[in-house]
Amino acid sequence: NAGVTQTPKFQVLKTGQSMTLQCAQDMNHNSMYWYRQDPGMGLRLIYYSASEGTTDKGEVPNGYNVSRLNKREFSLRLESAAPSQTSVYFCASSLGGSGTEAFFGQGTRLTVV
Amino acid sequence: QKEVEQNSGPLSVPEGAIASLNCTYSDRGSQSFFWYRQYSGKSPELIMSIYSNGDKEDGRFTAQLNKASQYVSLLIRDSQPSDSATYLCAVNEVTGGGNKLTFGTGTQLKVEL
Repeated sequence: NAGVTQTPKFQVLKTGQSMTLQCAQDMNHNSMYWYRQDPGMGLRLIYYSASEGTTDKGEVPNGYNVSRLNKREFSLRLESAAPSQTSVYFCASSLGGSGTEAFFGQGTRLTVV
Repeated sequence: QKEVEQNSGPLSVPEGAIASLNCTYSDRGSQSFFWYRQYSGKSPELIMSIYSNGDKEDGRFTAQLNKASQYVSLLIRDSQPSDSATYLCAVNEVTGGGNKLTFGTGTQLKVEL
């Protein structure tokens, strides 16, 4: 039982390049989330998906797109990377509904140069 | 105003003392509250959840919730050096798009020998 798996763990991009961060969960969870974490800023929600087929913007969606491919997978795409997107990205999932805790992947450390 | 507020710290306590971590939130409709612990370079892990006013105890940890004051706290008794980490308060908000989990910026706790 792997829980929440993110790939890759580390990535260096040049400004303007694109990439997709992958996230998969094997807990049959309905809700999935993408956060970014910067020093002193805590976890900021980029996008979330309450259920398969739905996605919604979070606090900092600009520069990102997401796809809820199926119930297991939720990907985050950077179309044209900028240095301001250098961060640690976390994917999380929860069963859904009020009161259910979220479980996190191991994170992706992204550097844009 | 950020939806979930925490003091960033660092909060320093001696080994064996009680550490008190505080969190306020802005959405009066929130029903679910969580405390996560995050070690440096690691992903957040859930340590406590609380849904009703009052106290909830789990081992050395006690979560306290006061919905009227929109206040959540975490007490750590008999603090150990291994408790040194960043503690993140999270609040579940029900939106039109589903459940959205919002985090505070985290409080860094240092337990000193």
